[in-house]
Amino acid sequence: GQNIDQPTEMTATEGAIVQINCTYQTSGFNGLFWYQQHAGEAPTFLSYNVLDGLEEKGRFSSFLSRSKGYSYLLLKELQMKDSASYLCAVKSDSNYQLIWGAGTKLIIKP
Amino acid sequence: GAVVSQHPSWVICKSGTSVKIECRSLDFQATTMFWYRQFPKQSLMLMATSNEGSKATYEQGVEKDKFLINHASLTLSTLTVTSAHPEDSSFYICSAPRPGAGGARSSYEQYFGPGTRLTVT
Repeated sequence: GQNIDQPTEMTATEGAIVQINCTYQTSGFNGLFWYQQHAGEAPTFLSYNVLDGLEEKGRFSSFLSRSKGYSYLLLKELQMKDSASYLCAVKSDSNYQLIWGAGTKLIIKP
Repeated sequence: GAVVSQHPSWVICKSGTSVKIECRSLDFQATTMFWYRQFPKQSLMLMATSNEGSKATYEQGVEKDKFLINHASLTLSTLTVTSAHPEDSSFYICSAPRPGAGGARSSYEQYFGPGTRLTVT
């Protein structure tokens, strides 16, 4: 079957660094996405990885290891506004549909 | 700016009535759009894939006669919740794939509409 796992909730301190892990088992792989979703709002795109390695975009970085079925989202210099749910999603085949993880709720404390 | 719009952003209706939600891609054509439902503190649940010019594909457990989807043009998909009940109260979100920026690593990103909060009384 298709399965994506990520922690349910994480807590971090303002100004610190946090890493949110995602492991996946899918029938195919055509890319992994990270989305941010604030409460009551729609998800917004953060990053996309299709090849192994690290993709850096400002304070956010995303890493992928296809052989391990593993990705992480790294958030640096945490700000209070980073409190949100972070969703990991995999495109398992050539169509547009994504398989979604349940999301990780990140709580930032002062 | 927004690339996918949804209307209405919120709606309250009485049990037994029908509600139509529109999803529009603003500056690109989308032959495929997705409809999701999200209950409080839960993750996105894909309801159906809307295909322009053909029938929608529904996920297991989603009643196609209750959730009518029409993808009438390359920029518009509609979801109609028929004979709504209080348990249909939820946050409904649409998305459309659009080519992402970048060269060889570019891919189709899912752009989400702002969502529609439906409350059935």
